[in-house]
Amino acid sequence: KNEVEQSPQNLTAQEGEFITINCSYSVGISALHWLQQHPGGGIVSLFMLSSGKKKHGRLIATINIQEKHSSLHITASHPRDSAVYICAVGRTSYDKVIFGPGTSLSVIP
Amino acid sequence: ETGVTQSPTHLIKTRGQQVTLRCSSQSGHNTVSWYQQALGQGPQFIFQYYREEENGRGNFPPRFSGLQFPNYSSELNVNALELDDSALYLCASSTGLAGGQFFGPGTRLTVL
Repeated sequence: KNEVEQSPQNLTAQEGEFITINCSYSVGISALHWLQQHPGGGIVSLFMLSSGKKKHGRLIATINIQEKHSSLHITASHPRDSAVYICAVGRTSYDKVIFGPGTSLSVIP
Repeated sequence: ETGVTQSPTHLIKTRGQQVTLRCSSQSGHNTVSWYQQALGQGPQFIFQYYREEENGRGNFPPRFSGLQFPNYSSELNVNALELDDSALYLCASSTGLAGGQFFGPGTRLTVL
């Protein structure tokens, strides 16, 4: 069993739809990251969470430490949101980060 | 949120050459980790530096080496480049305190 799992693996949505990507992990963590990667592009850090909820523009990330679960929500999705979204956790900031398998999102106009 | 920078953005080398990639960590961060992301795969941990010393290493051969400087910036050096070294190389910095790592945008290396 992978230490970090994401669902769904692939997601296609119509422009304007509300999107949720889920992440579950099995280790104790100090922080959880949501990362975005466009095809052929570098990685963009969207959020780093250790508790609660963060919001940036149309993106919202939540984490439930007790349930070892995090969600990334995208409101009013747009084709430019099409990318791979990666959940990654760090047990401590000294440890290597453990990456989830990614969720490939395609938003259709 | 991130103040981690990497250079160059893109780089093309040929087999057998050597390459140096650079990472400037976020201000106040004393720990830098390097990751390799091959095309279509997730990032793989290469090694980590803490206060100028290697602090952990993944499953990479010795031709992958690194340095961390007194200002906590870091270099990743790869000798005798192979075609399979073509990848996105990411660095991430942290303070070592509670919290996580801040990722740089990556350097895309192509080996021909």
